[in-house]
Amino acid sequence: GQNIDQPTEMTATEGAIVQINCTYQTSGFNGLFWYQQHAGEAPTFLSYNVLDGLEEKGRFSSFLSRSKGYSYLLLKELQMKDSASYLCAVRDRASGTYKYIFGTGTRLKVLA
Amino acid sequence: ETGVTQTPRHLVMGMTNKKSLKCEQHLGHNAMYWYKQSAKKPLELMFVYNFKEQTENNSVPSRFSPECPNSSHLFLHLHTLQPEDSALYLCASSQEVGSSYEQYFGPGTRLTVT
Repeated sequence: GQNIDQPTEMTATEGAIVQINCTYQTSGFNGLFWYQQHAGEAPTFLSYNVLDGLEEKGRFSSFLSRSKGYSYLLLKELQMKDSASYLCAVRDRASGTYKYIFGTGTRLKVLA
Repeated sequence: ETGVTQTPRHLVMGMTNKKSLKCEQHLGHNAMYWYKQSAKKPLELMFVYNFKEQTENNSVPSRFSPECPNSSHLFLHLHTLQPEDSALYLCASSQEVGSSYEQYFGPGTRLTVT
């Protein structure tokens, strides 16, 4: 079946580094996305990985290992505005059409 | 502002009502999506349209009926809903389905079924 797991909640301190993990099981992996969603707002795109390795974008980086079904989002120099939910999403193409499967999201609280 | 607008932002409807949700994207994208977001549950993909053609119906009950008259507009027609259909309905668009194209989400319609 298709399944995505990520921690429900994490807490970190302003200025610190936090790593949010995501593990997935799909039969037709076709890319992995990370989105940020502030409370009461729409998700916004952070990163995309389809090949193994690290993608860096400013304070945010995302890593993918397809053989392990594993990704992480790394947030550096945390700011209070980074308090949000972080959604891991996998695109699957096992059935010939594209499906987007989301995790339940990791709620990150950044403390002063 | 993501370039994707949704109306109405809030909707309360009875189980026997018929209503429609509207989504419009101003990004020149060719793919549009409907998602359902319920509390403590993952975002659920409902429908996908690519170049106005429906390419995915994720086992959604027939009381939800999508319509895509052109690449910029997407509707979700609702009739005889159940209380468990109360949720946030998000519309999204992307350049196309597939490749590295990320999705841009609208602000959502908060639906309450009484």
